[in-house]
Formats: sequence, structure tokens, C-alpha cells
Amino acid sequence: GAVVSQHPSWVICKSGTSVKIECRSLDFQATTMFWYRQFPKQSLMLMATSNEGSKATYEQGVEKDKFLINHASLTLSTLTVTSAHPEDSSFYICSARDARSTDTQYFGPGTRLTVL
Amino acid sequence: ELKVEQNPLFLSMQEGKNYTIYCNYSTTSDRLYWYRQDPGKSLESLFVLLSNGAVKQEGRLMASLDTKARLSTLHITAAVHDLSATYFCAVDPSGAQKLVFGQGTRLTINP
Repeated sequence: GAVVSQHPSWVICKSGTSVKIECRSLDFQATTMFWYRQFPKQSLMLMATSNEGSKATYEQGVEKDKFLINHASLTLSTLTVTSAHPEDSSFYICSARDARSTDTQYFGPGTRLTVL
Repeated sequence: ELKVEQNPLFLSMQEGKNYTIYCNYSTTSDRLYWYRQDPGKSLESLFVLLSNGAVKQEGRLMASLDTKARLSTLHITAAVHDLSATYFCAVDPSGAQKLVFGQGTRLTINP
């Protein structure tokens, strides 16, 4: 149980285009999902917290107009990278917190974004 | 600002040896997590430590938490090649699951 999927697993796009990444909790309901970014050989940095039915909370330094987050249901959150640039190339990982538990979040497999 | 520091950042060791990875954090937190990441992959949860003095073991890995010292350790016993990976600790200072990660320890175990 407790499976989180992401789609796509990798994407290559041209500079200036927008890319949408989906994060789904497959066998549990997630009132809260988190989006992380990981640059090569670095740690994970929390970008934002996505709450079902309300606006996302962004961490300091993360542009909310560039990284649009929507959490329309208890099993789906999306991250849209708008007007992507090469510096946005990174590994984006989502995680989901089971509504029945406050102690654990389950990580998705990640999406590797390359902006040319 | 909360800082989570791991030591060492790189570790190369021989199979069969024991070693410890340290995770220090700068503010009060009763929740600490250890994860494993293989190259190109996402995170695999190893341990969830929720109280002072918590100790958990799984196979050749054992994790402990000292909240007073703000220190967690991940001990590897009789290392095997399959344990080669990057290990992250993470702290949840707010209790809201907003994790702050350490830099990661890249562990290489040589036959």
C-alpha cells in the first residue's frame, strides 16, 4: 500500500514552454501533498505544500507564479512549470501524506525535467 | 533557520566493516527520518524516529535519535555492496511534515 505515482517520469521541453507534472496517491487519500526539487548531486528542497481544496503554500524564494500548484482532489496534485528555462531543469519529487497518519509521507518516483 | 548537517558527506568503505553516519540539526524536533536514494531514483523510507531515545533496526542498518543532543545516527553493520546509495536524514520541526533534509551522505561499499 501507500503508493504515489508521478507522470511523466521524464520530460524534455523547449525554453519558454510550460510543463505539467502530475502526482497521484493510488491507494490512499492525501489531504496534503508536497513538492520538492533536487538538483544533481544535491539534497531535496521543499518548494511548496499543496492542500486539497485550498491554495498552495510556497517556501521562501519559490515563485508561485512560475510554479503553479493545483490540488483539486484528495488523490491528485499537479505542478505546472510555466515559461520554463534551462535553470528549471531538475528532478521534481512529490510526496503525499496519508490523511489517516501525521507521521509519514510517501514519495513519488520523481520527474526529471530538462529544458533546452 | 533550521540547519540539518550530515557527516560525512562521502564515505567509501570495505564490505564487512562497520560505520556510522551522523545527522545534527539546529532546532528542536521530535521527528527525524532516514531515507535511501539510489542514483536516478526517488526516496525510499528507512526509519521514522518519533521520540527521544528511539532506536530502530532493519537488517544491517540501525538508527537512533537523541533529541536533547539534536543528533541522530545511522549505523551500518558488516556492510555489503547492496547498501551503496545516498542516505538522507530529514527533520520535521513544525510537525506539519515540512521536511528539511540534510545534504546527504554518499556511501560506496567496495567488495
